Amino acid sequence: DSGVTQTPKHLITATGQRVTLRCSPRSGDLSVYWYQQSLDQGLQFLIQYYNGEERAKGNILERFSAQQFPDLHSELNLSSLELGDSALYFCASSVAPTPRDGYTFGSGTRLTVV
Amino acid sequence: DAKTTQPNSMESNEEEPVHLPCNHSTISGTDYIHWYRQLPSQGPEYVIHGLTSNVNNRMASLAIAEDRKSSTLILHRATLRDAAVYYCILRDYQSGGGADGLTFGKGTHLIIQP
Repeated sequence: DSGVTQTPKHLITATGQRVTLRCSPRSGDLSVYWYQQSLDQGLQFLIQYYNGEERAKGNILERFSAQQFPDLHSELNLSSLELGDSALYFCASSVAPTPRDGYTFGSGTRLTVV
Repeated sequence: DAKTTQPNSMESNEEEPVHLPCNHSTISGTDYIHWYRQLPSQGPEYVIHGLTSNVNNRMASLAIAEDRKSSTLILHRATLRDAAVYYCILRDYQSGGGADGLTFGKGTHLIIQP
C-alpha cells in the first residue's frame, strides 16, 4: 500500500457520460498529480494541484477538469466520455510541488468507456 | 526535458545482477536523472535519482557516466518481484521546471527468469 488511495478501482460507463475519480494523497503530502495511461500514449501528465491551487497543466482535455479540496483530496472529472478515454488514471502525491526525491503513485482507476 | 533512450526489453535470471542502461546524450548540466518502475497492474514506483555522483539506496544503485550522457540502474540481485517496466526520466528543476509532472517514455520491460 503506497498510501495514495484511488477510488473506484474499476469503472465502466457509456459514451457521453460523466464520471468522477477520487484520490486521497499520502498523509502529509500537499501536492496531487493526475496521469493517464493508455496503450497507445503511455503515461501522460494531466494536471497538478498544490495545497488547493492548480499549479501545472499537461495534456488535459477541455472535457476533463480537476480540483483539490481543503482536506487535500482531489477529484478528476471526465465528461462527454469517448471510447478513446478508456485508460488507467493514476494519481500521485508529494510533499513539495517539485519533488526531486520522487512522487508516490496510487494503484489507479481503470476506466472503460463502452 | 531532454530525451532518453532505453532498450525495449531485457531478460535476466533470478538472483543475478541486472544492469539497465539509459542514454541521454542531450542532458543539460541541471538535469536530474530519475528512475521509476511499474510493476504489473500497479502505479509507477520511485526507484532512485541522482545528478552527478553514483547513488545507492535499498532498492538499487545508480551509476552515472562521467560525461553524464548515460546512466545505468543496477539491481544487485534480481528477484521475480523485480519484473516490471523501468523508466529513465530526466528532469530540470531550475527555471521553474519540475512543476509540470514527469514525462514517461516507453521504458525497458525487464523479464526475470526463475
